[in-house]
Amino acid sequence: DGGITQSPKYLFRKEGQNVTLSCEQNLNHDAMYWYRQDPGQGLRLIYYSQIVNDFQKGDIAEGYSVSREKKESFPLTVTSAQKNPTAFYLCASSTPTGSTEAFFGQGTRLTVV
Amino acid sequence: QKEVEQNSGPLSVPEGAIASLNCTYSDRGSQSFFWYRQYSGKSPELIMFIYSNGDKEDGRFTAQLNKASQYVSLLIRDSQPSDSATYLCAVRGVFNTNAGKSTFGDGTTLTVKP
Repeated sequence: DGGITQSPKYLFRKEGQNVTLSCEQNLNHDAMYWYRQDPGQGLRLIYYSQIVNDFQKGDIAEGYSVSREKKESFPLTVTSAQKNPTAFYLCASSTPTGSTEAFFGQGTRLTVV
Repeated sequence: QKEVEQNSGPLSVPEGAIASLNCTYSDRGSQSFFWYRQYSGKSPELIMFIYSNGDKEDGRFTAQLNKASQYVSLLIRDSQPSDSATYLCAVRGVFNTNAGKSTFGDGTTLTVKP
């Protein structure tokens, strides 16, 4: 079945540690996105990529990094520079023209301990 | 001013009533409009999308778009307890820097009481 797989579902990070969230899709979509969601709030765009080997900053990119070496994969690294990383992270994909829906993964809940 | 604003909730309606969810957006270049439903702790799922002015109906759901007023709404007829969730409005542009990225509102939480 086609879809988006995020892993892990839950992740705990120590202060000062970098962690990487995985996102893989087999929908053959060119565009992929990372969103952050805090309790009671909507989704805020961290990074997005329209094509392999290219990506753009979203609204809240500071403290995060991404790579897009393969069409299927768009991992997100939460660096130690991100001072308040505890949140629900959602990966999504869509066709790049913006005319179709975004398909979301199941999300990763990151907690700083 | 936020780029996408939704009516503040929470919204509570009795079972069988019509629930009305509203969304306004600031970017006149926006081309695509989406309504997602998100249950607590889960990822959003698309329930409606609309590109043209007017109404679009799908079962109990109707999306309404007015680009001149920069307004999009979602009506849920015959509301059921299973409709209780947070509804997110998302707006997407096609051209320039907005190409392919969605801007989400903060969501409206709907509770349907039996």
